[in-house]
Amino acid sequence: KQEVTQIPAALSVPEGENLVLNCSFTDSAIYNLQWFRQDPGKGLTSLLLIQSSQREQTSGRLNASLDKSSGRSTLYIAASQPGDSATYLCAVRNTGTASKLTFGTGTRLQVTL
Amino acid sequence: KAGVTQTPRYLIKTRGQQVTLSCSPISGHRSVSWYQQTPGQGLQFLFEYFSETQRNKGNFPGRFSGRQFSNSRSEMNVSTLELGDSALYLCASSLVQGGLGDTEAFFGQGTRLTVV
Repeated sequence: KQEVTQIPAALSVPEGENLVLNCSFTDSAIYNLQWFRQDPGKGLTSLLLIQSSQREQTSGRLNASLDKSSGRSTLYIAASQPGDSATYLCAVRNTGTASKLTFGTGTRLQVTL
Repeated sequence: KAGVTQTPRYLIKTRGQQVTLSCSPISGHRSVSWYQQTPGQGLQFLFEYFSETQRNKGNFPGRFSGRQFSNSRSEMNVSTLELGDSALYLCASSLVQGGLGDTEAFFGQGTRLTVV
């Protein structure tokens, strides 16, 4: 059974800092991995999708890497801003049960002025 | 381009009642998945529909059911509501069925269900 862990559970940084969020998964037989952000009481916004054959994806100030063999992904946020404050979730889609996403518990990020 | 639309946004129901939630996927998307989000359990997969067929189901009791229409819109139904069903129910749409090509999932704003 796939298990996804995100560390840290919460993080507070001053504006302008670069930061890294971590995601680890126990079963490396994944189809892809997706990073989302969720604002309080809202739905999920897709940030980046990495296919299992890819090593990284970039979008603006965000860069996500994937090391499938070690079961790890990182989300790098450059020059953080208060608007980046949200909960960040990673989710994996396994090759055997590709219909569903298995989510981590998230990292709650606060960027302070 | 319109995103995923879920209605209603908020619902308050009494124990024992039933409820139907609706999800309209992004135009052209044929896969719709449902997830339950609670503070204690996080995001849990309910089921996925593709071309009006349920392709996969999560570990939820039979009180949770769903369907998909020919226009890809989906509904989920929860019968005999329990207090523990209080949650944010999220719908996601993808271009294709999970595991076949680009399956980036796009989520709606969710329906907040409160059972009293």
